[in-house]
Amino acid sequence: DQQVKQNSPSLSVQEGRISILNCDYTNSMFDYFLWYKKYPAEGPTFLISISSIKDKNEDGRFTVFLNKSAKHLSLHIVPSQPGDSAVYFCAASAYSGAGSYQLTFGKGTKLSVIP
Amino acid sequence: KAGVTQTPRYLIKTRGQQVTLSCSPISGHRSVSWYQQTPGQGLQFLFEYFSETQRNKGNFPGRFSGRQFSNSRSEMNVSTLELGDSALYLCASSPAIAGNSPLHFGNGTRLTVT
Repeated sequence: DQQVKQNSPSLSVQEGRISILNCDYTNSMFDYFLWYKKYPAEGPTFLISISSIKDKNEDGRFTVFLNKSAKHLSLHIVPSQPGDSAVYFCAASAYSGAGSYQLTFGKGTKLSVIP
Repeated sequence: KAGVTQTPRYLIKTRGQQVTLSCSPISGHRSVSWYQQTPGQGLQFLFEYFSETQRNKGNFPGRFSGRQFSNSRSEMNVSTLELGDSALYLCASSPAIAGNSPLHFGNGTRLTVT
């Protein structure tokens, strides 16, 4: 059962335009969400996160929106740059008891920004 | 500050063999998590160690095991390798229990089983 879904395996966007990456989740216990970016032959790097008590978090060109009722979050990149071309992973965390957390990743969306 | 270091970067093994992968976390980080990445499957959680204790375990067979040393360095072992174990194995560290703060990933070990 896939609890975190990124339904678009790939996305192409023109340089300078907005990139919108989407993520849906099914577990209502998730209360902390993160986005990671991964270049080939490198490990994922943390981009931005959001707690369930917020519905928006911004960091420079990156904004994450959380819609708890729809169990949906999205990552907006404005403006998109060629260097943003990478695979983006959505992740969600829920407390699983005994001081531990369940962190679940989506399968990723490959973003290509076309110059 | 040095990042998460994983060794070796590449490894080729034969079916039935065993393999040990190593991970040195960021200095001061006490949590180390291991993930398997295969095409189309994203990042699958293997296990997490915190202060030398396994805190969490994913849905992988017992052939996959790990440990953490007192200096927070961690090793992952896979015994009786199968072709399906070919993957990128990623290690990640964090100062606190994973899931409550962002993870810092190493560049991974690419394991090929022939």
